[in-house]
Amino acid sequence: AQTVTQSQPEMSVQEAETVTLSCTYDTSESNYYLFWYKQPPSRQMILVIRQEAYKQQNATENRFSVNFQKAAKSFSLKISDSQLGDTAMYFCAFMKLSGAGSYQLTFGKGTKLSVIP
Amino acid sequence: EAGVAQSPRYKIIEKRQSVAFWCNPISGHATLYWYQQILGQGPKLLIQFQNNGVVDDSQLPKDRFSAERLKGVDSTLKIQPAKLEDSAVYLCASSWRGDYGYTFGSGTRLTVV
Repeated sequence: AQTVTQSQPEMSVQEAETVTLSCTYDTSESNYYLFWYKQPPSRQMILVIRQEAYKQQNATENRFSVNFQKAAKSFSLKISDSQLGDTAMYFCAFMKLSGAGSYQLTFGKGTKLSVIP
Repeated sequence: EAGVAQSPRYKIIEKRQSVAFWCNPISGHATLYWYQQILGQGPKLLIQFQNNGVVDDSQLPKDRFSAERLKGVDSTLKIQPAKLEDSAVYLCASSWRGDYGYTFGSGTRLTVV
């Protein structure tokens, strides 16, 4: 079974600064996908960024970028120019094609990020 | 496009009572998921539907939890009888193509007292 570990339960960052959230995972698969989801107090999980394991290039979405190290099984999220609206829980998630022929997400325990004015 | 709709938003029940949650996925999304998120943890998959068939329910406590997706559109998740440890947020998600990620609803927060 796949496991996803987020070692930082809570983090804080000053507005406009940069912060990096860590994630490691354990798998024997060679083809998979990795995601970061954001969960604000409204509870809705919002997709932040997606990475395909077979692509060496790190994914970027505006102020969000990842550092994907496949050999080290590491997938960190960097948030640049942090904004107050970035305050939320951030979940790292692993996805592979299951034996039933479907895709399933496995989540880490999350990192609570607070952006300080 | 409209998002994934869930109701109710909050529910408080006593232990041993029953409760049901409703989810309406994004139109055209064939796959629907129910997740349980206990406070301080990441979401855990309970059941996955493809159209109106069950793909995976290996983590669903079948002695008390049941779910259905009639006509391959909306879905209901039921708990009967509820236990204190069922207190959690129940998230519904849907996808057109799973490897691009899921779209989640806002969840139902269940408190069992």
